[in-house]
Amino acid sequence: AQSVTQPDIHITVSEGASLELRCNYSYGATPYLFWYVQSPGQGLQLLLKYFSGDTLVQGIKGFEAEFKRSQSSFNLRKPSVHWSDAAEYFCAVSTGGGNKLTFGTGTQLKVEL
Amino acid sequence: EAGVAQSPRYKIIEKRQSVAFWCNPISGHATLYWYQQILGQGPKLLIQFQNNGVVDDSQLPKDRFSAERLKGVDSTLKIQPAKLEDSAVYLCASSLTGDSNQPQHFGDGTRLSIL
Repeated sequence: AQSVTQPDIHITVSEGASLELRCNYSYGATPYLFWYVQSPGQGLQLLLKYFSGDTLVQGIKGFEAEFKRSQSSFNLRKPSVHWSDAAEYFCAVSTGGGNKLTFGTGTQLKVEL
Repeated sequence: EAGVAQSPRYKIIEKRQSVAFWCNPISGHATLYWYQQILGQGPKLLIQFQNNGVVDDSQLPKDRFSAERLKGVDSTLKIQPAKLEDSAVYLCASSLTGDSNQPQHFGDGTRLSIL
């Protein structure tokens, strides 16, 4: 069965600093990979997705992620963090038929002003 | 485009009581999902519908949880009787089809507290 690991439970960065959130997956073939963001009291919003092709994908709000097959990773990056980026970030994988998403446990991002 | 609508936003009940949640997906979306998100964890799929048929309910505790999507649009999720460990946020999501490359769109969820 597929699994997703987000090794960092909490991350704190200063506003304007760069950000990288880690995500590792376990699956035999190339999965479909997603990053979602969840603000307090709200549902999940899709930031970006990877299906195939270019391994560097661009998303909304200035985020990007890079798929590295050799490392089974799909890390999320942003060159300059804004205070409004404070939220919880979830990496997810969808495999096979049926579009079943398996989520990681999330990374809580705090932004210091 | 209107998003996924869920109600109520919050619900507090005592253990052994029953509760129901409602979801209205994005118009035209054939696939509907219910997730349970326990505090500090990622969402876990409970059940997936394709139109009015169940695609996957392997992680639904069927002794107490039930869900339906009778007309292939709105859906309800019921818990009866509720246990303390059911305290969680229940998220509804929808996608255009059930293909793995279709992004899922989430509602704001219903936060359930069991006393």
